[in-house]
Amino acid sequence: AQTVTQSQPEMSVQEAETVTLSCTYDTSESDYYLFWYKQPPSRQMILVIRQEAYKQQNATENRFSVNFQKAAKSFSLKISDSQLGDAAMYFCALRNAGGTSYGKLTFGQGTILTVHP
Amino acid sequence: GAVVSQHPSRVICKSGTSVKIECRSLDFQATTMFWYRQFPKQSLMLMATSNEGSKATYEQGVEKDKFLINHASLTLSTLTVTSAHPEDSSFYICSARRGGGQINEQFFGPGTRLTVL
Repeated sequence: AQTVTQSQPEMSVQEAETVTLSCTYDTSESDYYLFWYKQPPSRQMILVIRQEAYKQQNATENRFSVNFQKAAKSFSLKISDSQLGDAAMYFCALRNAGGTSYGKLTFGQGTILTVHP
Repeated sequence: GAVVSQHPSRVICKSGTSVKIECRSLDFQATTMFWYRQFPKQSLMLMATSNEGSKATYEQGVEKDKFLINHASLTLSTLTVTSAHPEDSSFYICSARRGGGQINEQFFGPGTRLTVL
C-alpha cells in the first residue's frame, strides 16, 4: 500500500514571502508520479505541479517549485513571492505508474495555507 | 481543454431518497473515472474507480450497494447514492483520466455538495 503524509495541518506566510510545504510518501513501486494540488474555497482541485520519479531535475512552474528527494521519499513544495490568491488547502498526491493501483491517486491529509497581506 | 463537469453542484434531499450525480468529461474521452468523497477540511478519499463498459472497482469499506456507479460511455459516469441518510452528507468529487500520453493526468470536476436531511 502507498501512503502520503503531510505533517503540517496549517501554514501561514506573509504576502511576497516564501513558504515551503512538506510531504513524505511511501511506495513499493519504482515508477511513480508525484503531484501538488491546490483546493481553494471553491473546492475545485487545481494541479499546481507534477514530478516524474525517474526525473532527477526538480519540477518548476513559475513561482512554484519542488524539492524532490527520492531516496528520502520527500517531495516538498516551495511557493515564492506568495500572493493572496495562493491561500488554499494544498494536497500532495502520489500515483503509481503501474501495478495493481495503476491510476489511483493517494492524497496526503492536506495543508491549509494562509497568506497575510 | 480537459474540462470535467459535475451535476448538480449541490443537492438537498430527504432521508431515504436516492440521489444521482453526473460526471462528464466535456472535451476528451475518459478511459477511467474516479469518485472521491471529502469531508470538511479533510483529504479526498477514493470511493471507487470506474472504467467504461465494466463494473466499478470499490475501495475497501465502501458499500457498493449504497453507492452505485455506472460508466455508460467514455464521457459520462454517474454515482447514485441510494437510500441516503444524514451520514452520507458530504462533498463528492469526480475525476476523469484522459487516455494516452505518459502521465495520463486526471482532471477534476468541481464537486457536488450533498446534504441529506
